[in-house]
Parts: sequence; C-alpha cells; structure tokens
Amino acid sequence: GDSVTQMEGPVTLSEEAFLTINCTYTATGYPSLFWYVQYPGEGLQLLLKATKADDKGSNKGFEATYRKETTSFHLEKGSVQVSDSAVYFCALTAGAQKLVFGQGTRLTINP
Amino acid sequence: GAGVSQSPSNKVTEKGKDVELRCDPISGHTALYWYRQSLGQGLEFLIYFQGNSAPDKSGLPSDRFSAERTGGSVSTLTIQRTQQEDSAVYLCASSPTGVGTDTQYFGPGTRLTVL
Repeated sequence: GDSVTQMEGPVTLSEEAFLTINCTYTATGYPSLFWYVQYPGEGLQLLLKATKADDKGSNKGFEATYRKETTSFHLEKGSVQVSDSAVYFCALTAGAQKLVFGQGTRLTINP
Repeated sequence: GAGVSQSPSNKVTEKGKDVELRCDPISGHTALYWYRQSLGQGLEFLIYFQGNSAPDKSGLPSDRFSAERTGGSVSTLTIQRTQQEDSAVYLCASSPTGVGTDTQYFGPGTRLTVL
C-alpha cells in the first residue's frame, strides 16, 4: 500500500542553521505530496505542497521538490528560526483522497 | 472566513460509554475527513465523506466506530462502548472538492480520554 517514511526525530538545531528533513514515499499512480506542520498547542496546517513531478512547493522560507526518480520530497530551509520549532509531517494522496502521513519529525530550534 | 471547528475540545469518558464528536467543515467544502492522532499510531485516516456519502470507510478500526454527515455539512463521529485504546486526538478536515490535489484544512481536534 501507499506509505511515507520520514527522517527520525527529534531534530535539534541552532538558530540560523540549515534544515533538511528527509521524506520518501511509496505510492501507486501519481501522488500529490504535502508537508503539514503542527506548532505547539495548535492544529495541523498545510506548509506546502506539490502535485506533479519536478514541482517545487514553497512557503515561509521552506521548500520541497517533488522528485519522482528518487520518490522523495525533502523539506529544506536555509536559515531556521526559533519560531520554526514544531512537528513536521510529510504526507501524500494517491488515487484515494485520504492523506497518508509519515510518522512526524519534531524540530526544536535553540536561540 | 471561519475554519473547521470541532466540539468538544476535550472529552473524558468511562470505559464502555458511548461518545459523539462533532465537526463543522468550512462552508462550501464538499469533502470531509476524519483522522485520529495517537502516540503509538501517528496520524491515521478513519473515513472520508463526499457530500453525505462515505465512499471510503476503510480506516474505521472496528464496528464500534460510525460516522454520518448531514446536509452536506456537519459530521458526527460516534464511538460506542469506548475502550482505553480509543484514547487519542480525533481530527476533522475538509477540502473544497475531494480531489487528491486539494489542500485539506484541519480543525483543532477533540482530545478523547477513556478512563
């Protein structure tokens, strides 16, 4: 079945560090790919998405490129801030409308 | 405009009791989804509605779980004879059309604790 595998957490970085959270997927057909974020005490919200191969999603300084050849959708940010501390979920929809989530990666940014 | 709302925000119940969780989707969204978030299982899909019909119920963990949607709007998730393993945060989401490229917008969740 469809699945998403994310980099194990937790991840701890210093402010202004470069961030990469790896995400790979297995899916039939042509999935749409998403990164959702859950800030402390808040609900799940979309960070960015890409709906076809080679598309790049971007938002709030975060980027991820849909790589069909490596079945990956890695999340990157050039310079993280304390306010980026949250749990990040990679997810896909493939054929079915439901979201299939990775296990989540907890990110902590220290000042 | 208003986002997805859920009620109650917290529910504590005794094992064996029935509970009802409510979701109000974003106005005009035809698709509605229920997910469950627990420490051991992560984020799991439960059921998907398109209008008032549920073409995908594949994630409901047992026949103690049921859901309905009325008027193409409000949905209720019912758990009968609750068990301790039902303790989790239940999340509702809605999307404009239900196609796979849609963004799903999530509510704040209902935290269910079964004692």
